[in-house]
Amino acid sequence: AQTVTQSQPEMSVQEAETVTLSCTYDTSENNYYLFWYKQPPSRQMILVIRQEAYKQQNATENRFSVNFQKAAKSFSLKISDSQLGDTAMYFCAFTPVFGNEKLTFGTGTRLTIIP
Amino acid sequence: EPEVTQTPSHQVTQMGQEVILRCVPISNHLYFYWYRQILGQKVEFLVSFYNNEISEKSEIFDDQFSVERPDGSNFTLKIRSTKLEDSAMYFCASSARDRGNQPQHFGDGTRLSIL
Repeated sequence: AQTVTQSQPEMSVQEAETVTLSCTYDTSENNYYLFWYKQPPSRQMILVIRQEAYKQQNATENRFSVNFQKAAKSFSLKISDSQLGDTAMYFCAFTPVFGNEKLTFGTGTRLTIIP
Repeated sequence: EPEVTQTPSHQVTQMGQEVILRCVPISNHLYFYWYRQILGQKVEFLVSFYNNEISEKSEIFDDQFSVERPDGSNFTLKIRSTKLEDSAMYFCASSARDRGNQPQHFGDGTRLSIL
């Protein structure tokens, strides 16, 4: 069974600063995908970024980037030049490449961007 | 951009009653999912559905629950004889494939309140 742990229930940062959200996971799988989903107050979960475990290069999407450390089973999200619209719950999630297709989520980090 | 839509946004039901939560997945998607998020807790997988049958279900998804794709567009979750502990946000998701390179897209969720 896979587990995903987010150890920061809440974080806040000033607008325009950089913030890093932590995520660790546990799995016996060798091939898998990792995701960060954002859930703003409007409730819909939106995919922010994804990482394929067999790729060593860290994924980047505009202001969002990850630090994927496969050996350490760590998958942190860095948000650069944070904006007010980044205020949301952020969920780290895991799915194996083969086998079942369900997402396993962490408990989430509530991020508040302060004007 | 195509979206997953869920109705109603909020459902209030007396304990013991049956409730049906509705979802319209993205039109060209083939895989459908239901997740649950009890207030303050992590998002939990309930069931996945493909080719008109359940492909996987969690231990939460017992005989009280059922899913159906009654026509070409809707995907429903039925909860029979609701209990207080069924109160939660229920999210529908869909994907084009059951692999992480085709991520799951989530709806806004239905907040179910059991009285």
